[in-house]
Amino acid sequence: DIQMTQSPSTLSASVGDRVTITCRASQSISRWLAWYQHKPGKAPKLLISKASSLESGVPSRFSGSGSGTEFTLTISSLQPDDFATYYCQQYNSYSHTFGQGTKLEIK
Amino acid sequence: EVQLVESGGGLVQPGRSLRLSCAASGFTFGDYAMNWVRQAPGKGLEWVGFIKSKTDGETIEYAASVKGRFTVSRDDSKSVAYLQMNSLKTEDTAVYYCIRGRRPYAGTSAYYFDYWGQGAMVTVSS
Repeated sequence: DIQMTQSPSTLSASVGDRVTITCRASQSISRWLAWYQHKPGKAPKLLISKASSLESGVPSRFSGSGSGTEFTLTISSLQPDDFATYYCQQYNSYSHTFGQGTKLEIK
Repeated sequence: EVQLVESGGGLVQPGRSLRLSCAASGFTFGDYAMNWVRQAPGKGLEWVGFIKSKTDGETIEYAASVKGRFTVSRDDSKSVAYLQMNSLKTEDTAVYYCIRGRRPYAGTSAYYFDYWGQGAMVTVSS
C-alpha cells in the first residue's frame, strides 16, 4: 500500500501568516492527490484535487503544488476560518490512503 | 444541492452487527461511486470501501482491515448506499462518513471525495 506522510503534525500560526503543509508519498502517485479541510463535528471539505486544482468556492489563498512523491498545500494569508485539520489523500491506487493530518492552531 | 445523510449508527457489542444507510439527494445517484471513510476517536481518516456505479459494473473494494466483515451495497432506485458491518471489533469504533467519489479518468478504481455526509458514530463496546 502507498503510505502518505504529512508534516508537520501540528502547526501554530497567526492570522495573516503564510503556512505550508507537506505531504510525501512512499511511491510516485503522479498528480493524483487531494487536500481536505476538517473541522470538529463537521464533514471534511475538499479543497484541492489533482495536486493543484482548486475546487469551486475555495478561496484563492489556498494553493497546492507538487507531483510524484512530494506535495505542498499553502495558505497565503491565514484567516480565522482556516484553523482546522488538513489531510492529504492519494488516489493513485484504490487503497485511497490519507496522510495522518496536520492540525493548524492559533498561535 | 448535494446532500448525503447517514443513519443507523449507535452502540453495539463486540461480535454483533450493524448496518449504516446513506440517503443521497441533489445528484444522479446511479452515476457515481459511493465510498465509506471512517475516523476513530483521536485518529485520522481511513478509507473503508467503495461500490462503483452500475455502468462501471458495481465493482466493490475494501480496506484490508474490514475485508470479509463489512459489505458495501447500493439501491439506485432509492438513492441509498449501505454499509453492513458484521463481527464488529472495538477497533471499529469510529465516525463513519458516506462520500461521493469522483474519478479522475474512466476505468480507474481510485477516487477523490467531493461530497461528504455529516457522519454516523459507531461505538463497539461491551
